[in-house]
Amino acid sequence: GDSVTQMEGPVTLSEEAFLTINCTYTATGYPSLFWYVQYPGEGLQLLLKATKADDKGSNKGFEATYRKETTSFHLEKGSVQVSDSAVYFCALTQNNAGNMLTFGGGTRLMVKP
Amino acid sequence: SQTIHQWPATLVQPVGSPLSLECTVEGTSNPNLYWYRQAAGRGLQLLFYSVGIGQISSEVPQNLSASRPQDRQFILSSKKLLLSDSGFYLCAWRRLAGGTGELFFGEGSRLTVL
Repeated sequence: GDSVTQMEGPVTLSEEAFLTINCTYTATGYPSLFWYVQYPGEGLQLLLKATKADDKGSNKGFEATYRKETTSFHLEKGSVQVSDSAVYFCALTQNNAGNMLTFGGGTRLMVKP
Repeated sequence: SQTIHQWPATLVQPVGSPLSLECTVEGTSNPNLYWYRQAAGRGLQLLFYSVGIGQISSEVPQNLSASRPQDRQFILSSKKLLLSDSGFYLCAWRRLAGGTGELFFGEGSRLTVL
């Protein structure tokens, strides 16, 4: 079955550092890929998405590129802020209305001032 | 625009007591609905999903149950809570057709069983 693997956290960075959170997936066909963010005590929010190979999703300074050749969707940000501290989830779906989203285990990011 | 609401936001219940968490979606019709649980410091566990009124699929056998009495209402219940039921419960919806397949989550309900 489909699966998503994320780097284990926590990831601790200083403010203005460069962020990369790795995400790789195993899936048949051409899934859509997502990054969700969960701030402390809140639900998950969709951060960005990409629906086909070589698409780049971007939002709030975060970017991720759908790399089919490496089955990856790494999340990047050039300069993190303390307010980016959260748990980040990578996920995929097979674009079928009946199919589930498959989530990675989540990566906690802690940004220190 | 579509919105999703869960309540209560927090709940402290004794072991053996009943549970009812409610989720409603506004601004869309015939959504797929989901209940997830997130234990402290852990990932997401899919508990139930529903593709229509009265249609419930269970992913994990346990003492929880779900019901969908109306198109945009999804309820998570238990007759007798266990300590292991503590966690953060998230409701989510998804378009049945169209869109790009993403889930939209509610604010979450934090359950502590003592």
